[in-house]
Amino acid sequence: AQSVTQLDSHVSVSEGTPVLLRCNYSSSYSPSLFWYVQHPNKGLQLLLKYTSAATLVKGINGFEAEFKKSETTFPLTKPSAHMSDAAEYFCVVSDRGVGTASKLTFGTGTRLQVTL
Amino acid sequence: DSGVTQTPKHLITATGQRVTLRCSPRSGDLSVYWYQQSLDQGLQFLIQYYNGEERAKGNILERFSAQQFPDLHSELNLSSLELGDSALYFCASSDPGQEVTDTQYFGPGTRLTVL
Repeated sequence: AQSVTQLDSHVSVSEGTPVLLRCNYSSSYSPSLFWYVQHPNKGLQLLLKYTSAATLVKGINGFEAEFKKSETTFPLTKPSAHMSDAAEYFCVVSDRGVGTASKLTFGTGTRLQVTL
Repeated sequence: DSGVTQTPKHLITATGQRVTLRCSPRSGDLSVYWYQQSLDQGLQFLIQYYNGEERAKGNILERFSAQQFPDLHSELNLSSLELGDSALYFCASSDPGQEVTDTQYFGPGTRLTVL
């Protein structure tokens, strides 16, 4: 079974400073990994995904994540936080089963707070 | 806007009742997924349908059922509702035949409140 652990339930940064959201994954085979963002009272939006094409993945709004196989981590980073980045971030692993069967396993989420 | 639509946005009902949540996938997507987001359980996968057939099952209660219709829209039926069923229910869609790793696109969710 695959699993994802987000080590921080809450991260607070000042506007203009770097963002780092941690994610550890467990997978029995080469995983597909995603980061989704959920703004208050909104649905889930895909930030970026890793599918083994490149270890450094660039997403929307200046976010990127690096797949580190030896460490089994997939941290999300952004060089400079903006107030609009305040949201809940989910690290997700895809369990692609036989044929078209698929399901996502979500981490518990990290709430990012951005202060002035 | 992901292209996935869900109705209704909000639903308030009483314990013991039955409700139906509806989802329309993105144009061309054959797979529909249902997820439940609650404060104590987080985001959990419930069930997947692909072109009308059940494909994968997660932590879905026996009181819950789903189906996908020929036009590919899906409905999640929740019956004998309990207070603990209050949650945000998300639908997602993808086209797993087109990519090695299918990306799931989420709808805005239906917030269910059971009183």
